[in-house]
Amino acid sequence: DVKVTQSSRYLVKRTGEKVFLECVQDMDHENMFWYRQDPGLGLRLIYFSYDVKMKEKGDIPEGYSVSREKKERFSLILESASTNQTSMYLCASSSAPNTEAFFGQGTRLTVV
Amino acid sequence: TQLLEQSPQFLSIQEGENLTVYCNSSSVFSSLQWYRQEPGEGPVLLVTVVTGGEVKKLKRLTFQFGDARKDSSLHITAAQPGDTGLYLCAGLPQDYKLSFGAGTTVTVRA
Repeated sequence: DVKVTQSSRYLVKRTGEKVFLECVQDMDHENMFWYRQDPGLGLRLIYFSYDVKMKEKGDIPEGYSVSREKKERFSLILESASTNQTSMYLCASSSAPNTEAFFGQGTRLTVV
Repeated sequence: TQLLEQSPQFLSIQEGENLTVYCNSSSVFSSLQWYRQEPGEGPVLLVTVVTGGEVKKLKRLTFQFGDARKDSSLHITAAQPGDTGLYLCAGLPQDYKLSFGAGTTVTVRA
């Protein structure tokens, strides 16, 4: 059974903290994505990666960075967490651009 | 500004009724996907449409891709409470960044 695993379901962090969200996939997929989901806004793409050590900015990259040192792992980093980054964060992977994206269960991050 | 506009944002219907959700854009897509998301879970793919004018059926769900590959619709016949969820369309434009609409929350009352 294919799987995308996000390290935490719920996370509470303080303003100004550096936050790491981890995502691992076991499908040997080339492409990995980080989205944030907010009510009424749907899923907005933060960053995506189409290969190890490769990354591309999505629609809302400000305040975020990513790391992909190994094919199966894609990390999202909040350099200095702010309250407006409180959101649901979803990681996804796919084998090719036109194929199904498999999602993790999401990390609900609250920044206080 | 969303690349993909979904309507309506909310839909509440009685079991047995039909419903249609729309996904529109001014951009051309190489493909459009429909996902359903249940509370506390990530979205799960329902279908991918690739060819302009294509119609795909998945039991009581019918998906259509517009001739110009700018829009799509999802029609559910005789809706059941199990169809309740957030329906999201996603498009793959020329730059290969999979973009999602804001979603339609469907509630089917028993």
